[in-house]
Amino acid sequence: NAGVTQTPKFRILKIGQSMTLQCTQDMNHNYMYWYRQDPGMGLKLIYYSVGAGITDKGEVPNGYNVSRSTTEDFPLRLELAAPSQTSVYFCASSADRGRRNIQYFGAGTRLSVL
Amino acid sequence: GDSVTQMEGPVTLSEEAFLTINCTYTATGYPSLFWYVQYPGEGLQLLLKATKADDKGSNKGFEATYRKETTSFHLEKGSVQVSDSAVYFCALSVDGGSNYKLTFGKGTLLTVNP
Repeated sequence: NAGVTQTPKFRILKIGQSMTLQCTQDMNHNYMYWYRQDPGMGLKLIYYSVGAGITDKGEVPNGYNVSRSTTEDFPLRLELAAPSQTSVYFCASSADRGRRNIQYFGAGTRLSVL
Repeated sequence: GDSVTQMEGPVTLSEEAFLTINCTYTATGYPSLFWYVQYPGEGLQLLLKATKADDKGSNKGFEATYRKETTSFHLEKGSVQVSDSAVYFCALSVDGGSNYKLTFGKGTLLTVNP
């Protein structure tokens, strides 16, 4: 029962570096999401996807990019990392949307930008 | 727009105490309501849900009743355990409009002492 798998679990970046956070799910879910969680601030949606080849911006997309070439994978790319991107990142997936939107989360990637 | 307001934490209780975490919402449509729990170092997982007025969601001794007249979905447990220490998030989702997203509260940290 893998569910949603995120790698890496921890990463330290220098300002200006780039990296890709990996996310894969084995539940054949159409909908996938990237969130960031800052202390005391809840979760903010970065990007989401409603299926392979279709992505759209969430609340806080600046500084990030995504792609969805397969149903299973939804990587998040950070270009030119900044200290403001220090956060915990969660990937999630769901089988449905609207009132039936039950999301399943990965264990998270803790990122520090120094 | 849609929003969720939950009581500020942290909440500290002794084992076997009664727990209430308040949650109220505003929604543009008829929402489904959720409680998610995040254990230390892990991603969020669904604790319970309710999809219509007067429904009671329950799981692991936790309960919450969907109150449309007071727009509330308070989480309760009669006797908490040390293992219940976690962050609890209230959330909602709606059909139509922003039906791709879950709207989360900011989370409430619960610490249960032996």
